Amino acid sequence: AQTVTQSQPEMSVQEAETVTLSCTYDTSENNYYLFWYKQPPSRQMILVIRQEAYKQQNATENRFSVNFQKAAKSFSLKISDSQLGDTAMYFCAFMKHSGNTPLVFGKGTRLSVIA
Amino acid sequence: GAGVSQTPSNKVTEKGKYVELRCDPISGHTALYWYRQSLGQGPEFLIYFQGTGAADDSGLPNDRFFAVRPEGSVSTLKIQRTERGDSAVYLCASSLGSGPSYEQYFGPGTRLTVT
Repeated sequence: AQTVTQSQPEMSVQEAETVTLSCTYDTSENNYYLFWYKQPPSRQMILVIRQEAYKQQNATENRFSVNFQKAAKSFSLKISDSQLGDTAMYFCAFMKHSGNTPLVFGKGTRLSVIA
Repeated sequence: GAGVSQTPSNKVTEKGKYVELRCDPISGHTALYWYRQSLGQGPEFLIYFQGTGAADDSGLPNDRFFAVRPEGSVSTLKIQRTERGDSAVYLCASSLGSGPSYEQYFGPGTRLTVT
């Protein structure tokens, strides 16, 4: 079974600064995908970024980038130039590459961006 | 275009009652997932449909929980003899196909409170 651990229940960052959210996971799979989702107070989960495990290059989406360390089973999210609208819960998630498998989520990190 | 919608937004029921939660996926999405998010936790998988059939119901906690998707579009999650421990946000997601290469789009969830 796969597990996803987010060790930071809460974090805060000043507007325009950079923040990094941590995520580690455990799996015996070799091929898989990793995701970061954002959940604002509206409750609607929004995909922020995803990484395919067989790709060595770290994924980037505008101000969001990841640091994927496969050997260490680590998948951190870096948010640059933080904006007030980034305030939300952030969930790290895992999905196996093959088969009809669901997302496995961590417990989340509550990020507050302070003006 | 329209996203995933869920009704009702909030539901309060008494212990022992029966409830139905509805999910309208994005048109054309063949895969549909139900997740349960308890307070302070990440979403946990309940059941997954590919078309009309339940491809994986391994996440349903017990036989009080049942879900249907009779025409391959709208899905209903049914909970019998509700218990206080069933209180949570129930999230629905849909995707064009199954597997990690297809993004899951989430609805805003139904918050169920069992008193």
